[in-house]
Amino acid sequence: EAGVAQSPRYKIIEKRQSVAFWCNPISGHATLYWYQQILGQGPKLLIQFQNNGVVDDSQLPKDRFSAERLKGVDSTLKIQPAKLEDSAVYLCASSSGWGTDTQYFGPGTRLTVL
Amino acid sequence: AQSVTQLDSQVPVFEEAPVELRCNYSSSVSVYLFWYVQYPNQGLQLLLKYLSGSTLVESINGFEAEFNKSQTSFHLRKPSVHISDTAEYFCAVTRRDNNNDMRFGAGTRLTVKP
Repeated sequence: EAGVAQSPRYKIIEKRQSVAFWCNPISGHATLYWYQQILGQGPKLLIQFQNNGVVDDSQLPKDRFSAERLKGVDSTLKIQPAKLEDSAVYLCASSSGWGTDTQYFGPGTRLTVL
Repeated sequence: AQSVTQLDSQVPVFEEAPVELRCNYSSSVSVYLFWYVQYPNQGLQLLLKYLSGSTLVESINGFEAEFNKSQTSFHLRKPSVHISDTAEYFCAVTRRDNNNDMRFGAGTRLTVKP
């Protein structure tokens, strides 16, 4: 069974530029999560989708971050414009259900904002 | 909101020695508790979880954790570690009444030396 795929693996941009990350969850998984992991900290949930609907985006900085999950499968997370403090690893995870169902994580995208 | 504190950022041990990785949580309501592991250059994987029932939960690779409600702890233990256990370990918590929002600790880096 293929795992959660993410691309790109690494991205370096200048502040005020835009960037987008892509995630392909495990086939058949209804729930998709985006996390931000700043160096030295644990992952922080940004947004959770159930199929193509948003369940929780309370910690998403909506003035600059946006995410979508078209057709309830792939998802993209965008930052526009980026700030220095957005430097982090962005993790995508998926689960078959929600709540306490096991989340399967992708390898992450490491973003560096200069 | 619920939160997790991992008391040690780094734990170096020798091979075949016992190890304990400490995790304390804070929540005004009942919780579910998790341990995730991140091996070098890999994504996070669920190691074990406590949902209900026996307060002692075990993983397939010899780790165990005990839920202690009075001490609000969920420490991870292994009686004899291997070089292959070298990884970063994250404790996480969700509320039972809203288990969509998983909060992670900052992580403990376990290094097993020969």
